[in-house]
Amino acid sequence: EVQLVESGGGLVQPGGSLRLSCAASGFTFSSYWMSWVRQAPGKGLEWVANIKQDGSEKYYVDSVKGRFTISRDNAKNSLYLQMNSLRAEDTAVYYCARVPSIAALYYGMDVWGQGTTVTVSS
Amino acid sequence: AIQMTQSPSSLSASVGDRVTITCRASQGIRNDLGWYQQKPGKAPKLLIYAASSLQSGVPSRFSGSGSGTDFTLTISSLQPEDFATYYCLQDYNYPFTFGPGTKVDIK
Repeated sequence: EVQLVESGGGLVQPGGSLRLSCAASGFTFSSYWMSWVRQAPGKGLEWVANIKQDGSEKYYVDSVKGRFTISRDNAKNSLYLQMNSLRAEDTAVYYCARVPSIAALYYGMDVWGQGTTVTVSS
Repeated sequence: AIQMTQSPSSLSASVGDRVTITCRASQGIRNDLGWYQQKPGKAPKLLIYAASSLQSGVPSRFSGSGSGTDFTLTISSLQPEDFATYYCLQDYNYPFTFGPGTKVDIK
């Protein structure tokens, strides 16, 4: 079964750090771009970051640039999001998602994890 | 960044109704657009990719159309399980951007 399982969420104080993980199974992880998407309470979806199959390209939404780092370990079939200098507005459910692509074209986010909740509060 | 708008923001419909949701991009994005369904407390689900391609396993009552700046998601005959919030997402360039969502509820 194709599956993504996030972990690592929790309560953190403003200015703190957290590392999210996403464990992939049931597919060849190293063949896919991967994404992080978040959803603040009661709000819509926001794309956060993407990483290429070999980790050589990474892209971020402006609001997290310089604070968040996306990475992956293909040997461990795992995706990560290191979040530093956290702010109250980073409070959200964070989802990882698989992104099929061919020749620099993307074909949606076709597999999603169940999400992990990050709360930034003092 | 490309801005995505959706209309309407919400709608009330009955089972069996034909429902149309529109998404507009602030600049041309070819057909690099997907549609997602999200139910409360659940992860989003991909319905349509590349503007008009039906994702495997998605019922054929869902269809997408459009290119450039204007896109449409149509549900031909609304079913009870279709009451949800629908989002468009452009993956034409970075940063990827979602529309604000359209909530479909029961009339």
